[in-house]
Amino acid sequence: GENVEQHPSTLSVQEGDSAVIKCTYSDSASNYFPWYKQELGKRPQLIIDIRSNVGEKKDQRIAVTLNKTAKHFSLHITETQPEDSAVYFCAATWGGTYKYIFGTGTRLKVLA
Amino acid sequence: DVKVTQSSRYLVKRTGEKVFLECVQDMDHENMFWYRQDPGLGLRLIYFSYDVKMKEKGDIPEGYSVSREKKERFSLILESASTNQTSMYLCASTSGGQGSSDEQFFGPGTRLTVL
Repeated sequence: GENVEQHPSTLSVQEGDSAVIKCTYSDSASNYFPWYKQELGKRPQLIIDIRSNVGEKKDQRIAVTLNKTAKHFSLHITETQPEDSAVYFCAATWGGTYKYIFGTGTRLKVLA
Repeated sequence: DVKVTQSSRYLVKRTGEKVFLECVQDMDHENMFWYRQDPGLGLRLIYFSYDVKMKEKGDIPEGYSVSREKKERFSLILESASTNQTSMYLCASTSGGQGSSDEQFFGPGTRLTVL
């Protein structure tokens, strides 16, 4: 069945450094890849997404890259700040189903 | 602003009780989802619904059922609660339809403890 693997499970970085989280998906028909951020005690919220016809997308300090051939996509956060500390989830889905397959999450800690 | 609400933030039930978790969205979304969130396991889909009175099993439907009698409301039912159903339950909705966003909007979650 469909599967999304996410690594690492925990990540600690110094404030100002970059953080990278990677996900690999199994279904080559997947065409939409969102990233959600969940702060402690709060609901997951979309921070960036990418569709399969695009290789990279950037929004201020965050960016997502997609490699369809290798079936993996990554979240990049530059100039990390303490408020970036949260759990990040990747997901994959394909048109028409709206059903997400989520990764297992990465707990990012930004050390001041 | 999309608003997804859940009936309770915290719930404590006893083994064998029937438990109802309710989710309401106010943006006329067609698609609604129920997930459970456990440490190290991410978000796992229990059931989803594309339309009123329609439901489909997700990845872990055993021990759960759902009801969608109105478009804005999607209920998760634990027929006979067990301790292994202690978890955080998250509801989500998305508009669906051609040209619409695929973004799922989440409710605040219900932390259920089964004793």
